[in-house]
Order: sequence, then structure tokens, then C-alpha cells
Amino acid sequence: GAGVSQSPSNKVTEKGKDVELRCDPISGHTALYWYRQRLGQGLEFLIYFQGNSAPDKSGLPSDRFSAERTGESVSTLTIQRTQQEDSAVYLCASSFGGLAGGGNIQYFGAGTRLSVL
Amino acid sequence: AQSVTQLGSHVSVSEGALVLLRCNYSSSVPPYLFWYVQYPNQGLQLLLKYTTGATLVKGINGFEAEFKKSETSFHLTKPSAHMSDAAEYFCAVSEKGNNRLAFGKGNQVVVIP
Repeated sequence: GAGVSQSPSNKVTEKGKDVELRCDPISGHTALYWYRQRLGQGLEFLIYFQGNSAPDKSGLPSDRFSAERTGESVSTLTIQRTQQEDSAVYLCASSFGGLAGGGNIQYFGAGTRLSVL
Repeated sequence: AQSVTQLGSHVSVSEGALVLLRCNYSSSVPPYLFWYVQYPNQGLQLLLKYTTGATLVKGINGFEAEFKKSETSFHLTKPSAHMSDAAEYFCAVSEKGNNRLAFGKGNQVVVIP
């Protein structure tokens, strides 16, 4: 498809389990972002990948959260030992990295709704 | 660090009436400003953005926003609400040199027939 694709769309897990969320960006987009949307809150930045540069991990809330990206394609967000406060919608976005810092339009996927019981 | 304030989590507007959603930001450098719309079970879709140049920006679906530096505002308006405008609207800011977006908490718009 032409848009950002995320899977699964819904994930229910038990507290303490690990989960992996997947994001397929738009082809040709060098930048990829992960955000978290908790109920009643705006989106919180988690992590940003730009080409082969070191990712900006400054938004990751704890060391239980990690993300990887293979080249300029798929990314996975991993949450280890999930807690109930991790319940949220996790949104992925991608963009061209052309503009020098800022102003790039980010295109969002539909998100993964994570529920931790 | 940049931040965004959107007041009034729920906004009700009558069909045909003016839609006005307020956004104020703080930024230490000239900002890039965005409005996104989110329909149920969908990702965010860009309505419009301001980077440089003309301060009145026109977007999709009849929406527009005006960047006012002196007021640090980027309010979103539409002259006449349609039922299809019912959705959640997010204002966001990024800064030159920093691609991450900082979002407001959003406005859930309800259109009353």
C-alpha cells in the first residue's frame, strides 16, 4: 500500500510479557518516528530514526522500551515486561528527511492499540 | 523545549456554525506549526502546516489557520461546520534542527445537526 502500515492493529497482553510492534513506512521516506497516545492525552514522542544516523531515543520512557530499524525500511518497537501504564495507542510516522531539521510532513499509520491486563 | 496548549478537550459546534480551535505554543526558536485531524480508528492526517512565508495558511476541507508570532498562536478555523468535521484535532510544533513533533492534548469536535 501507499501509506504507513502498522501491525498488529490491536494487541492484548498480560502484565510482564514482552510485545513487539511493527511499522512499515512509506517507501522512500528516510525518517521514521514512534509516538505514544495515552487515553485523553496528546501524542508523546518516543524515538526518531533518520537514515543511518544514530536514533534520537530521548523520548523513550524507560529502559523497557527499545526500537530498531533496518536501513530505511521496517521498524519494530519492543516493550519488555509490560506494565498496565504501557496501555496506549502506539503510532508510527514517516517522512522525507530532506528539510534540514523540522518542517517535514509526517505521515501516520493507524496505530497499534496495546492493552496490558 | 517546545510545547503546545489546546484548551477545551471537547468542543461542540452546530452544523453551519464557525469552527474555532485554539492553539498556543512555546518555542525558543521560530517554530514550524501543524494541525492534524484524527478520525476514529485512523491515523493522523495533515490539515495544514506553517513553515515560513504567508502567515495565513489554507488547508484541506476548508480549514485555515493563522500564525501570530506576537500571540504565539496558531488557531484553526472553518467558516461553516459540516457533520463530516466530527473528529479529533491536534496542534503540533517542531523546531528547526529538531524533527520531533510536540503535540497538544487535542480537541474532540462534535457537530450538532
